[in-house]
Amino acid sequence: AQSVTQLGSHVSVSEGALVLLRCNYSSSVPPYLFWYVQYPNQGLQLLLKYTTGATLVKGINGFEAEFKKSETSFHLTKPSAHMSDAAEYFCAVSDQGSYGKLTFGQGTILTVHP
Amino acid sequence: DVKVTQSSRYLVKRTGEKVFLECVQDMDHENMFWYRQDPGLGLRLIYFSYDVKMKEKGDIPEGYSVSREKKERFSLILESASTNQTSMYLCATFVRTGRGTGELFFGEGSRLTVL
Repeated sequence: AQSVTQLGSHVSVSEGALVLLRCNYSSSVPPYLFWYVQYPNQGLQLLLKYTTGATLVKGINGFEAEFKKSETSFHLTKPSAHMSDAAEYFCAVSDQGSYGKLTFGQGTILTVHP
Repeated sequence: DVKVTQSSRYLVKRTGEKVFLECVQDMDHENMFWYRQDPGLGLRLIYFSYDVKMKEKGDIPEGYSVSREKKERFSLILESASTNQTSMYLCATFVRTGRGTGELFFGEGSRLTVL
């Protein structure tokens, strides 16, 4: 069985500061890994994903994440936070070929202070 | 762009009522999903479907059923709503972008309150 743990249900940063959202996963097979973002009163939107190949993945809005197999981690980072980044972020894992059947983490609410 | 439409954004129902949550996607995709979102628990998979008239249980199917009579429509049914089913319900469709991979596209959600 797969599982995802997001460390920190709430993260608060100042505008311009580094954003780091932590995600660790458990999977018995090589995983596909995802980060989704949810803005208030909206559905989820894909930020980035790792399937195979390069372990550093770049996504939309300046976010990136690095797949570290030895640490079973897929942390999300952004060098400089913007007020518009305030949202809830979800890390998710799936088996290769599961075609959308994802296991999600608990979510991390990011607050950005001026 | 992929469009996933959930017909009701907000619903208030009474305990014991039968509730239908409707979801429609516009691109003839095969795979559709219903997730439930609760604070501190993230999203949990209720049911999914890989084709018309096909359904599979997810991680928390108890108290729910689904219907997929047409490819574009996937309905979630609460046969007898209970207060512990008060939640946000998210429908999604899967779009393949490569061999064995793709992306989930979500609707805006249906927030259900059961009194």
